[in-house]
Amino acid sequence: EAGVVQSPRYKIIEKKQPVAFWCNPISGHNTLYWYLQNLGQGPELLIRYENEEAVDDSQLPKDRFSAERLKGVDSTLKIQPAELGDSAVYLCASSLEGMGGSAELFFGEGSRLTVL
Amino acid sequence: QKEVEQDPGPLSVPEGAIVSLNCTYSNSAFQYFMWYRQYSRKGPELLMYTYSSGNKEDGRFTAQVDKSSKYISLFIRDSQPSDSATYLCAMSNYGQNFVFGPGTRLSVLP
Repeated sequence: EAGVVQSPRYKIIEKKQPVAFWCNPISGHNTLYWYLQNLGQGPELLIRYENEEAVDDSQLPKDRFSAERLKGVDSTLKIQPAELGDSAVYLCASSLEGMGGSAELFFGEGSRLTVL
Repeated sequence: QKEVEQDPGPLSVPEGAIVSLNCTYSNSAFQYFMWYRQYSRKGPELLMYTYSSGNKEDGRFTAQVDKSSKYISLFIRDSQPSDSATYLCAMSNYGQNFVFGPGTRLSVLP
């Protein structure tokens, strides 16, 4: 079974340029997460989708970040314009919510962004 | 005060040593407690998963949760160089949002 696939793995851009990251979750997983991970820190939630609905985007900086999950499968995270402080790893994760609450998160390998 | 605290290390131990990794947290609503392992330039992968208080063992790994003290631990017995990674604790309240600690970097020296 294929895991969570993210692309690109690495991206270097100049500040004020736009950038987009793509995520393909594990087949059948209804919940998709985008996390931000800074060096030496744990992942921090940006947005969580249940199927097509963004159920928690409270930590997404909406002035420059946007996300979508069309048809409840793939998702795209966009930054426009990028700032120096956006340099980080953007992790996508998916899970299959089961009975009883918490489910295991499956992470992709991440997209590492460097803003110059 | 951060919601989840974890000693960032780095922690270096000789091969075969017993490793103890710990996290403290402030939100008493957390019910699910997890340990993730993250190798360099890879995504985190789930190691252990515990609901509420108690111990759970899986091979060389033991997870302990003490909700009264808001303290969780991961023990690694007979540590191996392949255990060298960053270990992240994570917690959630009924599967809604997962809150991660900053991670502890572990090096197991041959």
